[in-house]
This record gives sequence, C-alpha cells and structure tokens, in this order.
Amino acid sequence: QVHLQESGPGLVKPSETLSLTCTVSGGSVSSGGFYWSWIRQSPGKGLEWIGYIYYTGNTNNNPSLKSRVTISVDTSKNEFSLKMDSVTAADTAVYYCARMGQHLVRGCFDIWGQGTLVTVSS
Amino acid sequence: DIQMTQSPSSLSASVGDRITITCRASQSVSSYLNWYQQKPGKAPKLLIYGVSSLQSGVPSRFSGSGSGTDFTLTISSLQPEDFATYYCQQSYSPPWTFGQGTKVEIK
Repeated sequence: QVHLQESGPGLVKPSETLSLTCTVSGGSVSSGGFYWSWIRQSPGKGLEWIGYIYYTGNTNNNPSLKSRVTISVDTSKNEFSLKMDSVTAADTAVYYCARMGQHLVRGCFDIWGQGTLVTVSS
Repeated sequence: DIQMTQSPSSLSASVGDRITITCRASQSVSSYLNWYQQKPGKAPKLLIYGVSSLQSGVPSRFSGSGSGTDFTLTISSLQPEDFATYYCQQSYSPPWTFGQGTKVEIK
C-alpha cells in the first residue's frame, strides 16, 4: 500500500523559500503512469493544485503561482520536493502531497499524505 | 481556469436522509469530474472518479452523476461517518481546480 509523508519546516519567514519533501513508501516514485503532486489548502482559497512532477522530471505547475514554484524528484530516495520562493502570509496553508494517476481517470488524486501546516510569519 | 461552484455550501441532515450536492463547472469538463470527502484534520479522500465510478472501498450509498457542466453527488442514506466536507474537482484541463466545498452537518 502506497503511503505519502510530507516533511519540512512549519514556519517560514516572509520573502524566504518554503521547502517541503514528500517521501513515498510502499511503492516507487518511478512507477510509470503516476504523477506526483502538491496541493495546498487555506481557509481563504480552499484547495489549490500547485503542480506535479513525473519521474522523468517533467513538470506542470499552476500558472497562478507563476515561477515561484519548483518541483523536483529524487528517484534514489523515492521522494519528491516542493520549493516556493518569496513567500507571503497568503502562502500560509496546509500542504499535501498526493498521487495522481491515469489508472482511474486522468487527473484524480487517489492517495494523499496527511498534510503539513506551513505558516509564513516573521 | 475552469471554475467549480458547489451548492449548497453547507447543509444539515439527519442519519438516514438522502442528500444531494451539486457541482457546476464554468465550462464543460466532459466526464472528468471527481469527488472527495474530507473530515476535520484529515486529508481529502477520493470517493468518486470520472463522474460515477466508486473508488475501491467506498460504500455503495455514494453515487455520482452528470456530464458536461452539471454534476451531483448523492448519499442515499446518510450514516454518522458521512458527516464531513465534500469537494468536487475537475481533471479535464489543467490547472486542476476544486469546488469550494459542501459541509454536511448533523441536524
């Protein structure tokens, strides 16, 4: 059974970089057909898809976050990561990693991590 | 971006009630419509994908229907464990977008 676990600092200062890692267990991030995603949830904006990465390194990010987001994958560690630059209070949210696959229907998220709260504050 | 609008935003119901939640897309999403259930402090859980296909392990009292821009999630007989917030999500065109949620509360 595939399990996802987010890790990273819970507090980030404004203008700095948010960095989170999602460790995949019970399966391989290199499995074809799965896209490894980041999603966040804040009271103000609800659920917001941030972006995804395929094990080959191909990515697709939400244009609303422009070029602030970088998603990377480390197949040797079976994990993928999120970096978000120049954070503001508006980036305060619970961040989830999730698996998206074609095996059910394109673009649905069938496995989620438990989520991690990131607060942007000085 | 495709906007997803759910109604109602919240509803109160009793155990055993039949309830329906509506999700409307700002443009056609064909059959790429998914539903999630979220309980407080937990991650969303996939309930239904592709409009009407139940995710493994999801009880048959949950059902989905619709096409194009208008979709519904129905719970035929509400159980105590069904009190939660439900979200629709389109996977027709990135950026994937979610509805704002419908909170189902105990009457």
